Amino acid sequence: DTAVSQTPKYLVTQMGNDKSIKCEQNLGHDTMYWYKQDSKKFLKIMFSYNNKELIINETVPNRFSPKSPDKAHLNLHINSLELGDSAVYFCASSQDGSSKENEQFFGPGTRLTVL
Amino acid sequence: AQTVTQSQPEMSVQEAETVTLSCTYDTSESDYYLFWYKQPPSRQMILVIRQEAYKQQNATENRFSVNFQKAAKSFSLKISDSQLGDAAMYFCAFGPSGSARQLTFGSGTQLTVLP
Repeated sequence: DTAVSQTPKYLVTQMGNDKSIKCEQNLGHDTMYWYKQDSKKFLKIMFSYNNKELIINETVPNRFSPKSPDKAHLNLHINSLELGDSAVYFCASSQDGSSKENEQFFGPGTRLTVL
Repeated sequence: AQTVTQSQPEMSVQEAETVTLSCTYDTSESDYYLFWYKQPPSRQMILVIRQEAYKQQNATENRFSVNFQKAAKSFSLKISDSQLGDAAMYFCAFGPSGSARQLTFGSGTQLTVLP
């Protein structure tokens, strides 16, 4: 009955590899997000996506790409992983136009370690 | 662009006492939301409290309340009757009104609760 789930919770990989992190929400929300939390715990938006638009934070390298097979899923694909990509990645969702607009529910996070 | 500032990297409080965490923000938006999220060691991001900027009344959720000063762009969190389970990193966040709007987070305040 988890609201926002992410897989895997931990990911250890070598530099240069390509990896994906999956996110699913069962809240019926129409907007999903990816955030990156660095080693100093600073949280920064990477993408937001609904069926109307994809908003990309301009500082995100184009090695990162969100892929949404349907409204309940927003996966994060990362090409050519670099050491600096090591972080915790959070998926979140919200329902636009509701009485709780912009109230975002977060997944448990995926800790990515690049060796 | 919005900025959110949390000037207290660390705070401590005695169990059963009250503590206030500070947050200031800067924006040119007229309609927005403010949030406090809690991140315990489990790293799960948990919404603590939410405030709509158009509401003058300060939000409360059980032992948690805010002091929202719109003119001063200040949004502090008060935790009453602190409990050991309140120990966590607390993040203040700003969210503009509208669809697919991304949250801007402060740098966080690490709260320690002393028995």
